[in-house]
Parts: sequence; structure tokens; C-alpha cells
Amino acid sequence: QVQLVESGGGVVQPGRSLRLSCAASGFTFSSYGMHWVRQAPGKGLEWVTFIPYDGSNKYYADSVKGRFTISRDNSKNTLYLQMNSLRAEDTAVYYCAKDSGGKSGSWYHFDSWGQGALVTVSS
Amino acid sequence: ETMLTQSPGTLSLSPGERATLSCRASQSVSSYLAWYQQKPGQAPRLLISAASTRATGIPDRFSGSGSGTDFTLIISRLEPEDCAVYYCHQYGSSLTFGGGTKVEIK
Repeated sequence: QVQLVESGGGVVQPGRSLRLSCAASGFTFSSYGMHWVRQAPGKGLEWVTFIPYDGSNKYYADSVKGRFTISRDNSKNTLYLQMNSLRAEDTAVYYCAKDSGGKSGSWYHFDSWGQGALVTVSS
Repeated sequence: ETMLTQSPGTLSLSPGERATLSCRASQSVSSYLAWYQQKPGQAPRLLISAASTRATGIPDRFSGSGSGTDFTLIISRLEPEDCAVYYCHQYGSSLTFGGGTKVEIK
């Protein structure tokens, strides 16, 4: 079955950087687009970024554009999120999620989610 | 950006009752609408995609309908394990989520 396991969360000071990883298994990782979605404490879900199956394009929410970078290593079945210039409002649980669309190059709904990694931005 | 408005904010019902959750989009998203269930401390779980297609393993008491701007999730006979927050999500124009509807079981 599909498994997505996030790691790399923690407490970081404002302005600093952090990198999240998402290890994927149970499906052909190189054939699916992947997303990061976040959820601030007690709040709703917010889509953050998407990368197609081949990494050919990257899409970002306005709230993170220019600060966050999504990438993937298909040889390692791993998705990454590099977060720079972190702000207090970036505090959230970050989920990686598998897109359902396969090799479409575009996004669809999310059919599997990891358990999330908590990122706390605080001095 | 396409905004999604969910109503009501909270729904409190008894086991066996029918729950009707609404999701309204600020512009047409065709049928590019999904529903997720999130229980406390857990990741969201896909219930419905393409407005009305149940995901694998989802009980048939969950059903979705609608197209364009108005969508509905119905839980036909509430069970205690249905206590959760339900989010709609559109993927027709960028990617956005509704604010969620909390379903409480009396």
C-alpha cells in the first residue's frame, strides 16, 4: 500500500531555513506528481506546492513563492521541501500528498497523504 | 483564486441521522471537486473525487453530488466514527480548500 513518511520538522528561528523530506513507497513514485499541503495549528488546509512526476515544472502558492522550493529525487523515491526565510506564519504541520493524475503533468486530487511533519517557527 | 465556502461550520447530529454538507465555489470548477475527512490528530483521507466518485474502501453511506459551483456531501446514516472535519477541495483552477465543516455526534 502507499506509504508517505515525512521527516525534518522541528523548531527554527524566524529567517532561518529548514528542509523537509518525504519518503515514498508502495507505488511507482516516478510516475506521479506530488504536493506539499500545510495546516496551521487549529486551522484548515492550505496547498503549498506541486511538482509533476518528472520535475519539469514547479508550482507554488503566493504565500511561499520565492521562499520555498520543491524538488524530487526519483532514484531515491523522495520528495523535498526547502523552506528559506521562515516566518512565524509558516508554523504548521506539513503533509506530503500524492497526486492522482499520474503522468499528466497537471494536478488532480490527492489520493494519499503522509502523517505530517510539524514545523514551528519561533524565536 | 477560486474560493470555496463550506456550510454549516458545525453540524451536530445523532447516530443514524443524515448529514448534509455544502461547498460553494466562487467560480465554476466543473466537476474538479474532492472531499476529505480529517479526524483529530490524523492526516486527511480522500472520500470523494470528481464530485461524486467514492474512493476505494469508502462506505456507500458517503455520497457526493454537484457540478459547477454548488456541491454537496451526504452522510446518509451517521455513525460515531464519522465524527471529523470534512473539507472540500477544488482542483479545476489552481488548488484551494474550503474552511471545513465539523461533524459532531450527539
